[in-house]
Amino acid sequence: DIQMTQSPSSLSASVGDRVTITCRASQGISNYLAWYQQKPGKVPKLLIYAASTLQSGVPSRFSGSGSGTDFTLTISSLQPEDVATYYCQKYNSAPPITFGQGTRLEIK
Amino acid sequence: EVQLVESGGGLVQPGRSLRLSCAASGFTFDDYAMHWVRQAPGKGLEWVSGISWNSGSIGYADSVKGRFTISRDNAKNSLYLQMNSLRAEDTALYYCAKDAVPAAMEYYFDYWGQGTLVTVSS
Repeated sequence: DIQMTQSPSSLSASVGDRVTITCRASQGISNYLAWYQQKPGKVPKLLIYAASTLQSGVPSRFSGSGSGTDFTLTISSLQPEDVATYYCQKYNSAPPITFGQGTRLEIK
Repeated sequence: EVQLVESGGGLVQPGRSLRLSCAASGFTFDDYAMHWVRQAPGKGLEWVSGISWNSGSIGYADSVKGRFTISRDNAKNSLYLQMNSLRAEDTALYYCAKDAVPAAMEYYFDYWGQGTLVTVSS
């Protein structure tokens, strides 16, 4: 099975910072990658699909890029409401579906 | 407004069974594949099972294959998960999730319910 590895596992950044989270697949998955945001005590929310397509209603400070095995989620200017755990998820050749282990983002 | 409301969770002994339900509203239920995703306390997300709009395509995670059965009733706008031979490691919050693409099974999820907690313990 394809494994998804996120880095870092956690990070702390200041409001206004540019933040980048990386997701690496153990095999190529083309652009079959989604990103989710899960705020503390809340339900996961779809941010990006097809590696770089922003889900409707998601602020434009979020962006995604990558193809094959290496992907990034970028927040161009970190806001306090962005405190959350972020998960990548591959969905090619499903099932199985695999999520990354998550990246916890905090405000410094 | 899309709503997914799970029910049926609770405390159950190892080896016993439980049936989860998800009531859907706010969208054309029989246009979309549906899924169950779980999250153990303090842990990450794990896809459990998915079913296509017409029940013609069904998938399971290896961890639940042979023990869990997914089904749906389009007339009742409802999704189900029959869980047998439960183990301690099945303890988690179980989310019902809607596939993002109509008339397909893309396996990414644009709406999630609030979840129902399943605790497997003696």
